[in-house]
Amino acid sequence: GQQVMQIPQYQHVQEGEDFTTYCNSSTTLSNIQWYKQRPGGHPVFLIQLVKSGEVKKQKRLTFQFGEAKKNSSLHITATQTTDVGTYFCAGPESQNFNKFYFGSGTKLNVKP
Amino acid sequence: DGGITQSPKYLFRKEGQNVTLSCEQNLNHDAMYWYRQDPGQGLRLIYYSQIVNDFQKGDIAEGYSVSREKKESFPLTVTSAQKNPTAFYLCASSAGSTGELFFGEGSRLTVL
Repeated sequence: GQQVMQIPQYQHVQEGEDFTTYCNSSTTLSNIQWYKQRPGGHPVFLIQLVKSGEVKKQKRLTFQFGEAKKNSSLHITATQTTDVGTYFCAGPESQNFNKFYFGSGTKLNVKP
Repeated sequence: DGGITQSPKYLFRKEGQNVTLSCEQNLNHDAMYWYRQDPGQGLRLIYYSQIVNDFQKGDIAEGYSVSREKKESFPLTVTSAQKNPTAFYLCASSAGSTGELFFGEGSRLTVL
């Protein structure tokens, strides 16, 4: 089956430092989505990338989709304590767009 | 307000009992999903449904059953055949196979 791997599994940063999480798929993705799950909460949609090489920004967050559409990254500039949570990438299975797979997630902790 | 509602939020059951988790959405979404999340883990797909009266197995369907008799509703039954049912269960819906997923707040099942 499809594999969507994320690294690192955990990241502890000091407030103000940058943070990056990487997502790698074993197969080409038609699109990739990113979600954030606060502690004790449910995943909330952040963004979707569709085009090869696409870059999108949301304030301090920068999302990239690789040229081969098999990897993606989320970069947070100057982290804040409100950024704490687990970040997941997700994408549809290449043979069956109706099956949506999530990466293993990166848990971010920000020390004030 | 439009959204997706899961109930109950917390559920305790004895080993060997079947339990049914409710998931209702009023977003008029065709697609609905059930995911399981274990502590510190990602989301694993249990079942999904793209249309009323049709559903498909995800990667970990064994020990679970679902129905999709109405567009708004996608209940999940955790049967006694599920060997390790204690987990956080998340229901989601989307407008289509490429749309963002909207999650409910989750149901935390503990089997004693």
